[in-house]
Amino acid sequence: AQSVTQLDSQVPVFEEAPVELRCNYSSSVSVYLFWYVQYPNQGLQLLLKYLSGSTLVKGINGFEAEFNKSQTSFHLRKPSVHISDTAEYFCAAQGAQKLVFGQGTRLTINP
Amino acid sequence: DTAVSQTPKYLVTQMGNDKSIKCEQNLGHDTMYWYKQDSKKFLKIMFSYNNKELIINETVPNRFSPKSPDKAHLNLHINSLELGDSAVYFCASSLAGGWTDTQYFGPGTRLTVL
Repeated sequence: AQSVTQLDSQVPVFEEAPVELRCNYSSSVSVYLFWYVQYPNQGLQLLLKYLSGSTLVKGINGFEAEFNKSQTSFHLRKPSVHISDTAEYFCAAQGAQKLVFGQGTRLTINP
Repeated sequence: DTAVSQTPKYLVTQMGNDKSIKCEQNLGHDTMYWYKQDSKKFLKIMFSYNNKELIINETVPNRFSPKSPDKAHLNLHINSLELGDSAVYFCASSLAGGWTDTQYFGPGTRLTVL
């Protein structure tokens, strides 16, 4: 069965600092991985997804993620965050006709 | 031009009542979903429909009954509401329900059961 673990429930960073949000998955089948962002009081929207090919995936708003098969990880990174990046971030893995989400990581940007 | 819309945005009701949440997508997608997000932000799928047919039913109490009158709509009816039903419910859609398809989410309906 598919499972997704986000290692940090909250990540506080200062504005313009780099950030990494960690995600590990477990799967015995082909892996399709996603990062979604949920801004306050809104629905989720896709940041990026890994399907195949290059392990470095670039998404919207300057985010990127690296798929690492040997470490079963799909960590999300941004070199310089902005106040507007304050949100909940969800890692998800697709399998068996459904999307399985991690517990979410709350990213808080301090000025 | 909202892609996935839900009504109402907020729903406050008493225990034991019956309520419905409506969802519509104008993306021309074949597959629609209902998710429940609990107070700890954990997001879990409840149902998915492909072209009006039920595909996934994730051990949800039978007090929850989804209805899809056409492939652009997926409504959620909840009977005999309980305190534990309080959550944010998200509707989503995807092109064909394929493993690589992006899911597009609605803004959510915050249900509070008193």
